[in-house]
Amino acid sequence: EAQVTQNPRYLITVTGKKLTVTCSQNMNHEYMSWYRQDPGLGLRQIYYSMNVEVTDKGDVPEGYKVSRKEKRNFPLILESPSPNQTSLYFCASSDRGPYEQYFGPGTRLTVT
Amino acid sequence: GDSVTQMEGPVTLSEEAFLTINCTYTATGYPSLFWYVQYPGEGLQLLLKATKADDKGSNKGFEATYRKETTSFHLEKGSVQVSDSAVYFCALRDTGGFKTIFGAGTRLFVKA
Repeated sequence: EAQVTQNPRYLITVTGKKLTVTCSQNMNHEYMSWYRQDPGLGLRQIYYSMNVEVTDKGDVPEGYKVSRKEKRNFPLILESPSPNQTSLYFCASSDRGPYEQYFGPGTRLTVT
Repeated sequence: GDSVTQMEGPVTLSEEAFLTINCTYTATGYPSLFWYVQYPGEGLQLLLKATKADDKGSNKGFEATYRKETTSFHLEKGSVQVSDSAVYFCALRDTGGFKTIFGAGTRLFVKA
């Protein structure tokens, strides 16, 4: 089954404690992206990757890091989480170009 | 920069009513346009798309036409069902397929 998986689905952590949210896709997509969803703001793009070792900032990259060492994986790293990073996070993948994206189920992060 | 504006919700309709959710955009170049739907507790999934001016996307009774002259991509359905209750997001993907901009989302409630 074609899918994007994220782990964990739910995470509660404290300010400053480094964390990683994993994302994996099995569709051989070159393009992967991370978004955060906040009420009234829709989804905002954090980082995207056009291929292995190629990443770039989206609209809200501050406080986040990513890496793309393998085509199927695109982890999101919060090195020092703060309460304003409490949000619902989605990973997505697609072919390169004007194509639909396939979304993971989301990770709800709470930073206290 | 690019932006997407969609009508605020929530929208509450009775079953079999006509639905319109307005979406307008600003963009340079020739973006692709999408409607995604999010059911409670799930990730986003593609509802329909259009990749060039005057294209009409359609799926499950929903339709939207890419209007370059009015920079709009309004979502319509002739007869909604209770099962259509969800949050709907309008989105554009830039010409190169790098960035995606989402609207704030419109929550639809359909009453039996």
